[in-house]
Amino acid sequence: GAGVSQSPSNKVTEKGKDVELRCDPISGHTALYWYRQRLGQGLEFLIYFQGNSAPDKSGLPSDRFSAERTGESVSTLTIQRTQQEDSAVYLCASRIAGSSSYNEQFFGPGTRLTVL
Amino acid sequence: KQEVTQIPAALSVPEGENLVLNCSFTDSAIYNLQWFRQDPGKGLTSLLLIQSSQREQTSGRLNASLDKSSGRSTLYIAASQPGDSATYLCAVSTDSWGKFQFGAGTQVVVTP
Repeated sequence: GAGVSQSPSNKVTEKGKDVELRCDPISGHTALYWYRQRLGQGLEFLIYFQGNSAPDKSGLPSDRFSAERTGESVSTLTIQRTQQEDSAVYLCASRIAGSSSYNEQFFGPGTRLTVL
Repeated sequence: KQEVTQIPAALSVPEGENLVLNCSFTDSAIYNLQWFRQDPGKGLTSLLLIQSSQREQTSGRLNASLDKSSGRSTLYIAASQPGDSATYLCAVSTDSWGKFQFGAGTQVVVTP
């Protein structure tokens, strides 16, 4: 079956522009996560969705970052007024369960964002 | 705050040798632990998920153990192959939402 997909796979933008990154989770997966991986660093949690609600936004680094999810499916991560330090690979993951954490997370291929 | 450490940071072995990758975490109150591999320019591939109540999980040549009391997990890969070359990541979940705290990874090279 289809896995988690993300688009675009690569995005190059100029400093100060807004960008939107898309994630399509596995069908039926109610939980969705965004992480980012900056060059040479580990993965950092950004935000968690349960259905269309985001009970944990604790990892969003600034108010320039926002995310939404609709139809308990696709999610969009928006970065406004991009800065060079936003350059990273943004990864999306999904899993089946509701509030239980007993299920595997499945990751998409990521979006590589480069801010010039 | 949960800290996850992976040692060694890099490892090179000849084909056929067994691999032993270590992961340690500071807060033993975990929900689960998941091992992933990451290939260059690619996303993460799930290898094994261990629930907090489990001691180990096995899949083919892979075996992962979990010792919560000592804050450790070990991933064993038997009879390594060049195709096992990748970065291996350990991730720990310490809340009911399931968000992960990741280690920095162990970069593995298996030489033919």
